[in-house]
Amino acid sequence: QKEVEQNSGPLSVPEGAIASLNCTYSDRGSQSFFWYRQYSGKSPELIMFIYSNGDKEDGRFTAQLNKASQYVSLLIRDSQPSDSATYLCAVPSTQGGSEKLVFGKGTKLTVNP
Amino acid sequence: EAQVTQNPRYLITVTGKKLTVTCSQNMNHEYMSWYRQDPGLGLRQIYYSMNVEVTDKGDVPEGYKVSRKEKRNFPLILESPSPNQTSLYFCASSRLGLYEKLFFGSGTQLSVL
Repeated sequence: QKEVEQNSGPLSVPEGAIASLNCTYSDRGSQSFFWYRQYSGKSPELIMFIYSNGDKEDGRFTAQLNKASQYVSLLIRDSQPSDSATYLCAVPSTQGGSEKLVFGKGTKLTVNP
Repeated sequence: EAQVTQNPRYLITVTGKKLTVTCSQNMNHEYMSWYRQDPGLGLRQIYYSMNVEVTDKGDVPEGYKVSRKEKRNFPLILESPSPNQTSLYFCASSRLGLYEKLFFGSGTQLSVL
């Protein structure tokens, strides 16, 4: 069973701070990684994806990937109260010929005004 | 508007009474999938479909059936619901597969008494 692990939190940061969310995965062959944001009572929405080692930036969001360490992270700069949500790390798995997207259990982030 | 439509939004039923949760997408997506979300367990894949008449099991398929007779529709069928199937269900689709952005429906909160 391919696994994706996240710190469940909750993670609390003050407004304007950097929030750092972490994810580790067990399948060394994984090639792509996704971050979804889920507001309470809502469905997940994609905010970032990354395929290559290193950093990928999109506005206030930066995804960081280290395949050697099997580690992917999401940094949120200048955190806003509207960033308060649960962040889900997702990794595709093609184990045994089946195509599954494996989600971590999510990290709940609270940004305090 | 591009969207994934799930119905119903809320459903309360009794053990053993067959039910169907509908899912429809208007984006001509090849890939569709069903997930259930439970506290502490995160999002877990039930079934997925790569195209019409092509379906496969996810991580938790027991007690569920699906069909993909048309590209746009992917209903989830519970032939004999049990209380352990009480959960929040999400349908999702993507253009070609799990390496692309998933679009999620609004979710169906199911309670089996």
